[in-house]
Amino acid sequence: NAGVTQTPKFQVLKTGQSMTLQCAQDMNHEYMSWYRQDPGMGLRLIHYSVGAGITDQGEVPNGYNVSRSTTEDFPLRLLSAAPSQTSVYFCASSRQSEDTIYFGEGSWLTVV
Amino acid sequence: KNQVEQSPQSLIILEGKNCTLQCNYTVSPFSNLRWYKQDTGRGPVSLTIMTFSENTKSNGRYTATLDADTKQSSLHITASQLSDSASYICVVSARSSYKLIFGSGTRLLVRP
Repeated sequence: NAGVTQTPKFQVLKTGQSMTLQCAQDMNHEYMSWYRQDPGMGLRLIHYSVGAGITDQGEVPNGYNVSRSTTEDFPLRLLSAAPSQTSVYFCASSRQSEDTIYFGEGSWLTVV
Repeated sequence: KNQVEQSPQSLIILEGKNCTLQCNYTVSPFSNLRWYKQDTGRGPVSLTIMTFSENTKSNGRYTATLDADTKQSSLHITASQLSDSASYICVVSARSSYKLIFGSGTRLLVRP
């Protein structure tokens, strides 16, 4: 199993541009989520999904959209990038909410 | 407000020494507590998961304890190795919720 795969690893965007961070898992996990990690802060939940076709907002959803058309994929879309969205983004998945959560390797995003 | 606080923020120890990291939480109703290790530039990796009824769990040289009455947890690292240099993150989840509350982590540096 590849686990949780995120692309791209690094990205620089100009303010106002849009982009999609890709996330895929091959473990047949129902639960998937996106977090952002900023210096000196804990990971904060952006959006999550409990299964294909079901998504919900986390703690910091503004400026981001998600969809879950398949069990495997959970892309995160930045609608109009802002410098405040400069961060490291982690995708995660788990079989059930109480199980071990597996994280991707992260996507470093800089908005200039 | 649900919060997770970790101490110390950073720690430097010599190779071969033991250390203990602390985690205090105010999450309610409590479901489980997890410890993660995050190497620089990588995604977090699970070390332990403990539920309300568990007060100790080990994973190799890592031993986590949980006191649900005082809402405190500790992570003890025995005979530290250079590869233990990383951030250690305490994560607490509330019952009936997929949303996790992350501490900001303890940055451990093991020196030869």
